[in-house]
Amino acid sequence: AQSVAQPEDQVNVAEGNPLTVKCTYSVSGNPYLFWYVQYPNRGLQFLLKYITGDNLVKGSYGFEAEFNKSQTSFHLKKPSALVSDSALYFCAVTGTTDSWGKLQFGAGTQVVVTP
Amino acid sequence: NAGVTQTPKFRVLKTGQSMTLLCAQDMNHEYMYWYRQDPGMGLRLIHYSVGEGTTAKGEVPDGYNVSRLKKQNFLLGLESAAPSQTSVYFCASSRQGAEAFFGQGTRLTVV
Repeated sequence: AQSVAQPEDQVNVAEGNPLTVKCTYSVSGNPYLFWYVQYPNRGLQFLLKYITGDNLVKGSYGFEAEFNKSQTSFHLKKPSALVSDSALYFCAVTGTTDSWGKLQFGAGTQVVVTP
Repeated sequence: NAGVTQTPKFRVLKTGQSMTLLCAQDMNHEYMYWYRQDPGMGLRLIHYSVGEGTTAKGEVPDGYNVSRLKKQNFLLGLESAAPSQTSVYFCASSRQGAEAFFGQGTRLTVV
């Protein structure tokens, strides 16, 4: 069965330090993986995606993510966090076989960046 | 370019009442989705559609029905609302294999 796990409810980091938000997945066939961010009382904004190709994907606002097929992971990273990065982050997956079109999200990770 | 538009933005229903949430997209996307967002639960997929005239169940379809009669519209219906359906509902659309674009959400309260 298709699933997405974000093991941390909240990640706390000081401004200027590296930020990592974890995501693991289970899907039939090859995965299409996405990261989104949500600010309070707003919809979701797309950050980056992995479809195929290089395992390191670069996206908006200085974020990047590394696809690891053997560990079925797609962790989001930012080398130097900003206070404005404080938000709710979601990982999402869809597969290329029987779950095609079923875009499923994780439970979300709240990121808190302190000055 | 409006993107994905949801109506209404807010609604209060009494238990047992029915309503329809409308989602419209102007990007000619094949895929459309309905999610609900509850604290600590993330976004849970209710129903989705991979093309006009087709729908499929997601993770939490019970109590909801959907229709995709036109490519640009995806309707979510609640036939008999229950307090457990109090939530924020998001609609999204995408091309095949591409990122989804989200509406601004509908905040529904069932009393």
